[in-house]
Amino acid sequence: AQSVTQLDSQVPVFEEAPVELRCNYSSSVSVYLFWYVQYPNQGLQLLLKYLSGSTLVKGINGFEAEFNKSQTSFHLRKPSVHISDTAEYFCAVSGGSQGNLIFGKGTKLSVKP
Amino acid sequence: EAGVAQSPRYKIIEKRQSVAFWCNPISGHATLYWYQQILGQGPKLLIQFQNNGVVDDSQLPKDRFSAERLKGVDSTLKIQPAKLEDSAVYLCASSFRSWGNNEQFFGPGTRLTVL
Repeated sequence: AQSVTQLDSQVPVFEEAPVELRCNYSSSVSVYLFWYVQYPNQGLQLLLKYLSGSTLVKGINGFEAEFNKSQTSFHLRKPSVHISDTAEYFCAVSGGSQGNLIFGKGTKLSVKP
Repeated sequence: EAGVAQSPRYKIIEKRQSVAFWCNPISGHATLYWYQQILGQGPKLLIQFQNNGVVDDSQLPKDRFSAERLKGVDSTLKIQPAKLEDSAVYLCASSFRSWGNNEQFFGPGTRLTVL
């Protein structure tokens, strides 16, 4: 069975500071990894995905993530955050034959001026 | 390209009442998903359709929840009767295919409050 653990439920940070949102996964098969962002009262929007190849993945809005197979991690990073990055971020894994996503519980990023 | 549409956006009902949600996926997407997102948790898959057939409904509480996608396009999710613990956001998503790197596109969700 697959599972996703997001280690921080809330991350407060000041504007223009760097941020890292942590995600660990477990799976017995090869996986695809995703980060989604959810703004208040909206659906989920894909930030980035790891399918294969380079372990450093770049996404929208200046976010990037690094796949680390030995540590089973897929941490999300941004070197300088903006107020508009305030949202909830979900890490997800897909690896089954049916392709459905298993989500973590989410990390609420709060960017303060 | 139009996104995934859902209606209604908000619904308030009393326990033991019935409710139905509607989803229209992105044109050409064969796979449709319904997720339940309880406050403070990540989305949990309820049911997955490939065209008009069910691929996975292992986490659907079948005694009260039902879903259909009769013509392989639109889908409805019904709860009958509703319980307090059904209060959640119900998200519909679609993807071009159901395997591999299938990016899922999400609708805005329906927020259900059961009183």
